[in-house]
Amino acid sequence: DGGITQSPKYLFRKEGQNVTLSCEQNLNHDAMYWYRQDPGQGLRLIYYSQIVNDFQKGDIAEGYSVSREKKESFPLTVTSAQKNPTAFYLCATQPGNTIYFGEGSWLTVV
Amino acid sequence: AQTVTQSQPEMSVQEAETVTLSCTYDTSESDYYLFWYKQPPSRQMILVIRQEAYKQQNATENRFSVNFQKAAKSFSLKISDSQLGDAAMYFCAPRMEYGNKLVFGAGTILRVKS
Repeated sequence: DGGITQSPKYLFRKEGQNVTLSCEQNLNHDAMYWYRQDPGQGLRLIYYSQIVNDFQKGDIAEGYSVSREKKESFPLTVTSAQKNPTAFYLCATQPGNTIYFGEGSWLTVV
Repeated sequence: AQTVTQSQPEMSVQEAETVTLSCTYDTSESDYYLFWYKQPPSRQMILVIRQEAYKQQNATENRFSVNFQKAAKSFSLKISDSQLGDAAMYFCAPRMEYGNKLVFGAGTILRVKS
């Protein structure tokens, strides 16, 4: 199937741990994005990448890191420096001028 | 920084009737795109409709249409013949050329009554 695949769907993190959320796409899209959504709120941009080996910080990049070694993959690492990581995370790709989203990943700190 | 205001936290509509969700935004750019996304309980973000700022004609997608007022920086969504499956959170999201990113409003919860 073509599309944007995020995994895992649900993830639990202990205090002080780093965790990585996966985002894979087989749509051959250049641009990829990571957004965070807190309950009852809109989405906020964490990082985005327009091409392989290049990425830019969004509005709330502190405590997060990304890599873009392959066109198909844009993993997001939530580091221990992120003090309040419990949220819903959405990956997206952009062909042309429209952005399409994956199904999202829930991250909970326990 | 761009801001997006959705002034209606929650709206209700009777099945088969029409509802309009409002959105205003702030930008100094002249060329940009605007989107409405729907987020049902599954949390998947689904594109509803898009509008190019340089086009004067309002976009339409089946039962969904927009009223785009560029000078007023207003971008409302009209849903006609509302269906139970339209119940969701709706987000207005302009995408400015500078920064090339979507900026989201806080969302409007739409409830559809049968």
